[in-house]
Amino acid sequence: QKEVEQNSGPLSVPEGAIASLNCTYSDRGSQSFFWYRQYSGKSPELIMFIYSNGDKEDGRFTAQLNKASQYVSLLIRDSQPSDSATYLCAPRGSNYKLTFGKGTLLTVNP
Amino acid sequence: GAVVSQHPSRVICKSGTSVKIECRSLDFQATTMFWYRQFPKQSLMLMATSNEGSKATYEQGVEKDKFLINHASLTLSTLTVTSAHPEDSSFYICSARDFAGDTNTGELFFGEGSRLTVL
Repeated sequence: QKEVEQNSGPLSVPEGAIASLNCTYSDRGSQSFFWYRQYSGKSPELIMFIYSNGDKEDGRFTAQLNKASQYVSLLIRDSQPSDSATYLCAPRGSNYKLTFGKGTLLTVNP
Repeated sequence: GAVVSQHPSRVICKSGTSVKIECRSLDFQATTMFWYRQFPKQSLMLMATSNEGSKATYEQGVEKDKFLINHASLTLSTLTVTSAHPEDSSFYICSARDFAGDTNTGELFFGEGSRLTVL
């Protein structure tokens, strides 16, 4: 089983819709979970992090964590064309190491 | 947020030469920095963990004699790709953790990345 699994997509949504990105992880010891956005040819930028079960909202973004199911998701409300990018899920392991999934390519169509 | 600067952003070199990439934390101290490599359409793969004042810890399958890492100060880590070959062409990205940062989150700050092309 891969350590971090994400649907590679592409996920295509119309402008204004909700985009739902999912991630499962295998390391039950993971405590913090990060969502990064990466535009083509650029380095990742942090969108959100979450470390408690439940939901965490920040503007148009909501992260959801279920440690029992080893599942973390990211919802993007009112999707904009500028949200088109690859979204990377990264659980934090020991010594603050991040293990990245392959990422989900999101395309928001105007 | 904290700033991590990486240099150079792009480098082209001939096969067999060595290339050094620098990663600096500009406004915080970083006892730990991480070096990642990303091939086209692939995810970021951790190469090594760089610890200030001690030897780097390499991930399985990464040749420590080929990818030399030096973390001589709390704000600078360098990655040297020795005797580079075309298969080393990739996007190299460093990240750093703020020594004084929130231990609950362990947020990492990423450099802009360095694109290496070996001819």
